[in-house]
Amino acid sequence: GQNIDQPTEMTATEGAIVQINCTYQTSGFNGLFWYQQHAGEAPTFLSYNVLDGLEEKGRFSSFLSRSKGYSYLLLKELQMKDSASYLCAVMDSNYQLIWGAGTKLIIKP
Amino acid sequence: GAVVSQHPSRVICKSGTSVKIECRSLDFQATTMFWYRQFPKQSLMLMATSNEGSKATYEQGVEKDKFLINHASLTLSTLTVTSAHPEDSSFYICSAGTSGRDYNEQFFGPGTRLTVL
Repeated sequence: GQNIDQPTEMTATEGAIVQINCTYQTSGFNGLFWYQQHAGEAPTFLSYNVLDGLEEKGRFSSFLSRSKGYSYLLLKELQMKDSASYLCAVMDSNYQLIWGAGTKLIIKP
Repeated sequence: GAVVSQHPSRVICKSGTSVKIECRSLDFQATTMFWYRQFPKQSLMLMATSNEGSKATYEQGVEKDKFLINHASLTLSTLTVTSAHPEDSSFYICSAGTSGRDYNEQFFGPGTRLTVL
């Protein structure tokens, strides 16, 4: 079956760095997405990785290792507004998004 | 950027009534639209995928006679929850996908919170 695993909840301090991991097992691979979702709102796109390596975009970076079925989202210089759920999703061979359950990130002052 | 709107943003209805939710891509033509449902503290659950002009493909366990999807144009899809019951109360989110880009990204609407009394 298809499976996306990510931690349920993480806590970090304002100004610090946090890494949210995601492992996946899917039928085929056409890219991995990270989305941010604030409570009561729809997800917003953060990043897309289809090749191995690190993609940097401002304070957020995303890493992919296809051979290991592994990705992480790295958030630097954490701000209180970064408190949200972070969803990892993999596009399978049918171009369908398979979603993880999300990681709730709590930022403390 | 690509913008997707949803209407209404919030609806409260009585049990047994039907509710229609609209999803529009405002500045692009969406070849595919997706409907998701999200219960509190859970991830998105894909309900169905629809392509313009053809019947929607429903995920296993989703009743197609209860959740009617119409994708009449490249910019509009509607989801009708028929004979809604309290267990249908949820956050319904649509997304629109495009082809011809480097990747098939989905652009999400703001969501519709449905409460069935």
